[in-house]
Amino acid sequence: GQQLNQSPQSMFIQEGEDVSMNCTSSSIFNTWLWYKQDPGEGPVLLIALYKAGELTSNGRLTAQFGTTRKDSFLNISASIPSDVGIYFCAGYHNTNAGKSTFGDGTTLTVKP
Amino acid sequence: DADVTQTPRNRITKTGKRIMLECSQTKGHDRMYWYRQDPGLGLRLIYYSFDVKDINKGEISDGYSVSRQAQAKFSLSLESAIPNQTALYFCATSDSWAYTQYFGPGTRLTVL
Repeated sequence: GQQLNQSPQSMFIQEGEDVSMNCTSSSIFNTWLWYKQDPGEGPVLLIALYKAGELTSNGRLTAQFGTTRKDSFLNISASIPSDVGIYFCAGYHNTNAGKSTFGDGTTLTVKP
Repeated sequence: DADVTQTPRNRITKTGKRIMLECSQTKGHDRMYWYRQDPGLGLRLIYYSFDVKDINKGEISDGYSVSRQAQAKFSLSLESAIPNQTALYFCATSDSWAYTQYFGPGTRLTVL
């Protein structure tokens, strides 16, 4: 089946620093999604990307749909303590029976 | 009120017991999913349902069963719980034409 490699697995940064994480796959996806899971809660959608090369921002977050359709990147600028959580990428392809494939997550810790 | 609710939020049980986790949604979505989250392993799909009469196995369905009682309700059962089923369980919903999933708050299950 389709698998996603998400890296890094964890990050420890100082408040104010920028963050970058990425997902790669051996398969092509039609849609890339980035979710954030706050401690004790379920994941919530941050950004959805629908086209190869697309660059989309949501506040301090910017995500890109790779031109090969096999990767995606998420950047967080000027991190703040509430950015703490687990970030998941997810890929969707219309041949996968309506299911998304999730990465293993990047755990972000921000030190004040 | 939350769009996707899960009950119970926490459960401790013993090996061999039958357990049911319940999920309800008010989003009017046709599609519902059950995931399991273990540290470092991301979200793994257990079962999914695209309508009341459609139930499908995910990647880790062994030891689990589900029931879609209505469009808004999707239950996950562990017929005979075992310790390696200790995990965080999430229910999610999505519209039939969209890829975004909406997650419940999760149920933390501990099997002793």
